Amino acid sequence: DAMVIQNPRYQVTQFGKPVTLSCSQTLNHNVMYWYQQKSSQAPKLLFHYYDKDFNNEADTPDNFQSRRPNTSFCFLDIRSPGLGDAAMYLCATSRDGAGGTVDTQYFGPGTRLTVL
Amino acid sequence: SQQGEEDPQALSIQEGENATMNCSYKTSINNLQWYRQNSGRGLVHLILIRSNEREKHSGRLRVTLDTSKKSSSLLITASRAADTASYFCATDEPGNTGKLIFGQGTTLQVKP
Repeated sequence: DAMVIQNPRYQVTQFGKPVTLSCSQTLNHNVMYWYQQKSSQAPKLLFHYYDKDFNNEADTPDNFQSRRPNTSFCFLDIRSPGLGDAAMYLCATSRDGAGGTVDTQYFGPGTRLTVL
Repeated sequence: SQQGEEDPQALSIQEGENATMNCSYKTSINNLQWYRQNSGRGLVHLILIRSNEREKHSGRLRVTLDTSKKSSSLLITASRAADTASYFCATDEPGNTGKLIFGQGTTLQVKP
């Protein structure tokens, strides 16, 4: 089945120790998103790729980086995780909406990050 | 920035009852979407309604959109315990940036 896969589902890291979260998709969508979601809050967009075109949100900390080596894969790198970075990280994909509109987004199951 | 605001924040009903959630937003939109999130999971798309549409149905779900009031509602009829989840509305950001802005969500509990 076509889907969005995130690995690992649970990640524990130490304060300041770099961590990489991965996302892959079999939907062949050209747009991929990374969201951060803290408990009982709305998902907050960190950045998104339109094909290989990287779009960073103005308030995304420099500590967060992303790579998209090909259409199927996208990575979220947290260079020096702090306690405040503990959250659920959600990857999503979508097709290119007509005229720049946003089509349906398909989400992965998320990676729960714990920072000790 | 534009953001959907949802009302109520939490809703608890008995199985079989209807659940209504409301979403308000601030600026013009191209479309509005509703998503469901089960605890500790990713979001699942429910319905997309375009700005020129007023009502849409999908199974037990009914979504309305009133662009003059900048509001939308999601009605779940004959609710089931499995409908227990958080429900988010999301609007596309003005300027056709390809981004969604999510509301804070309504947490629905359906008691068996």
